[in-house]
Amino acid sequence: QKEVEQDPGPLSVPEGAIVSLNCTYSNSAFQYFMWYRQYSRKGPELLMYTYSSGNKEDGRFTAQVDKSSKYISLFIRDSQPSDSATYLCAMSDSGYALNFGKGTSLLVTP
Amino acid sequence: GAVVSQHPSWVICKSGTSVKIECRSLDFQATTMFWYRQFPKQSLMLMATSNEGSKATYEQGVEKDKFLINHASLTLSTLTVTSAHPEDSSFYICSASPGQGTIQYFGAGTRLSVL
Repeated sequence: QKEVEQDPGPLSVPEGAIVSLNCTYSNSAFQYFMWYRQYSRKGPELLMYTYSSGNKEDGRFTAQVDKSSKYISLFIRDSQPSDSATYLCAMSDSGYALNFGKGTSLLVTP
Repeated sequence: GAVVSQHPSWVICKSGTSVKIECRSLDFQATTMFWYRQFPKQSLMLMATSNEGSKATYEQGVEKDKFLINHASLTLSTLTVTSAHPEDSSFYICSASPGQGTIQYFGAGTRLSVL
């Protein structure tokens, strides 16, 4: 079993919809949780960073971490076509190196 | 802030030649730099981790003699693909961290095509 599981999609939603992206993990030592956005043929861009459990909000983006369920989520409100990209979750235990999910491909249609 | 510059963005070379890719942190000092490889529609595969002034740590299965990494300063790391072959064609991405790696900022990536 991979340490980080993420549904690759693709996920297609209409503009304005609320998008929910998720990852599960098996290593209970993970404490740092990140979401990256990657456009085609570009490097990943850090969107959200959360330490331990709880919620974090930044504009249209909300990250949630449920350590008891080993489950993290990224919500995108009022989705826009420019949000179309691959979203990668990543996590770390002691602060050394990241464990990435495979990424979920999101398409927001006008 | 937290800008990482990676050059070149695309390189085409003949089989047997060597290619150097540069990764620079422009507005912070990078204690640790990472090199990844990404195949189409796949996640990032960590190749190696480097700290300024010391030898890189390679992941299992990565040939250290083929992928030479130099982390010469706190703002610059280079990856040299030596004697490149078509199977080395891939998307290579670097990242830099002001710490040990929890927060990583990525370069734009380099697409390598070996003919």
